[in-house]
Amino acid sequence: QSALSQPASVSGSPGQSITISCTGSSSDVGGYKYVSWYQQHPGKAPRLVIYDVNNRPSGVSNRFSGSKSGNTASLTISGLQAEDEGDYFCCSYTGRSTWLFGGGTKLTVL
Amino acid sequence: EVQLVQSGSEVKKPGESLRISCKGSGYSLTTYWISWVRQMPGRGLEWMGRIDPTDSYTNYSPSFQGHVTISADKSSRTAFLQWNSLKASDTAIYYCARHGACSGGRCYSGPFYGMDVWGQGTTVTVFS
Repeated sequence: QSALSQPASVSGSPGQSITISCTGSSSDVGGYKYVSWYQQHPGKAPRLVIYDVNNRPSGVSNRFSGSKSGNTASLTISGLQAEDEGDYFCCSYTGRSTWLFGGGTKLTVL
Repeated sequence: EVQLVQSGSEVKKPGESLRISCKGSGYSLTTYWISWVRQMPGRGLEWMGRIDPTDSYTNYSPSFQGHVTISADKSSRTAFLQWNSLKASDTAIYYCARHGACSGGRCYSGPFYGMDVWGQGTTVTVFS
C-alpha cells in the first residue's frame, strides 16, 4: 500500500500563505471525508491540526484550513509564522477501519 | 490532563521478542480507539493498526499484518504493541495515538475524527 502523495518540501516567507497537497485515489482521499493533517516538529510527537477535511481542533490557530477536491486534499496555512516550520503529514481513511498517511512535506519559513 | 504515556526506549537483538505499552490517563481508555504509528529514522509516519479497547477488536495495515500484534488491557488502561521476532528493519520510533477530537468546547470519540492525543513515542533499536 503506497503512501499518499505529498510534495517533499514547500517554503514561504513570514506573512505569506502556502498550500500543501495530498493526492490519493477514490479508495481513500476521494472516497471519504475523513482526511486529517498533522504537524510534527523535530524530535516531537505529531500534532493534529485538521480533521474531517476542514475542521480545526481546539487550540489550533485559524490560520490553518483544509479542503478537498476529488482525490486531492489540501492544507493551507495563512500568515506564515516561524513556528509553523516543520513536517506536515496528511492521513486518510481507506475503508475497513484502516488508515494511510502521506509521505510528508517539509515546510520551511524563509 | 489527558495523555498517553508510553514505555521507555528498548534495545534488542534480531529474533528477540518485545512488547511496548501505552497507558492512557485523564480519560476512559475504552471510549477511544487507539492506533499505533511507526516512524523510521528520518522517514514519514506509517499507520500500523488500531484497536478498540472495549472489545479488543483490531485491524492492521497489510504492511504490518502478521508481524505485530496489538492488544489492550481495560483494567490497566493500557494498549500494547508486540513483536515475536524482531528484525533490524523494525528500528524506529513507535507512537500510540487515540482517535478523537475536541472542538467548540466538546470532545468527540470515534474512529473518524483524526488522532488527537499522541504518546511521546518509544524508540526501538534492533541490532546484532
